[in-house]
Amino acid sequence: AQSVAQPEDQVNVAEGNPLTVKCTYSVSGNPYLFWYVQYPNRGLQFLLKYITGDNLVKGSYGFEAEFNKSQTSFHLKKPSALVSDSALYFCAVRVKSGTYKYIFGTGTRLKVLA
Amino acid sequence: DGGITQSPKYLFRKEGQNVTLSCEQNLNHDAMYWYRQDPGQGLRLIYYSQIVNDFQKGDIAEGYSVSREKKESFPLTVTSAQKNPTAFYLCASSIPGSGASNSPLHFGNGTRLTVT
Repeated sequence: AQSVAQPEDQVNVAEGNPLTVKCTYSVSGNPYLFWYVQYPNRGLQFLLKYITGDNLVKGSYGFEAEFNKSQTSFHLKKPSALVSDSALYFCAVRVKSGTYKYIFGTGTRLKVLA
Repeated sequence: DGGITQSPKYLFRKEGQNVTLSCEQNLNHDAMYWYRQDPGQGLRLIYYSQIVNDFQKGDIAEGYSVSREKKESFPLTVTSAQKNPTAFYLCASSIPGSGASNSPLHFGNGTRLTVT
């Protein structure tokens, strides 16, 4: 079955420190991978995507993600965390099962401590 | 501004009543989706539609129904058959297709449904 896993329910990091939010995937064929962020009582906002090409993808608000095919991972990173980065983060993969649909991980809550 | 509008933001219903959640987009996207969000379970796909007058069941379609009579509208009805309807419902849209059109999903701000 095609799936996305986010192994950590919550990640705590001090402001100014680098952050990593983990994501692994299981799909047949080439993966189309996405990261989204959600603030309380809001919809999801797109951060970045990997389709093909460079393994390091840069996105919005200083976030980047590293695609690793051998480890089937797509971890979200930021060199220096801000308190305002505290939110819920979702990894997703786009799959084709007849038509296209998106499968989401269970989400990781990031808490940046001042 | 282009976007997706979900209304209402909060909805309260009594058990046994059907309720319809509205989703309208002016992004000219062909594909539209409904997701349900519960704490600790991420987003689960209810229904999706790639084109007008066509839609497919997602992973948790039981107790829900949809229609897609217009490109810009994809309303979701939560029926009395849905055993646990209290949740946060998110509507999304995208440009379908492969190749360069690997469009991310664009989300509305959600409707929080509470059934008592």
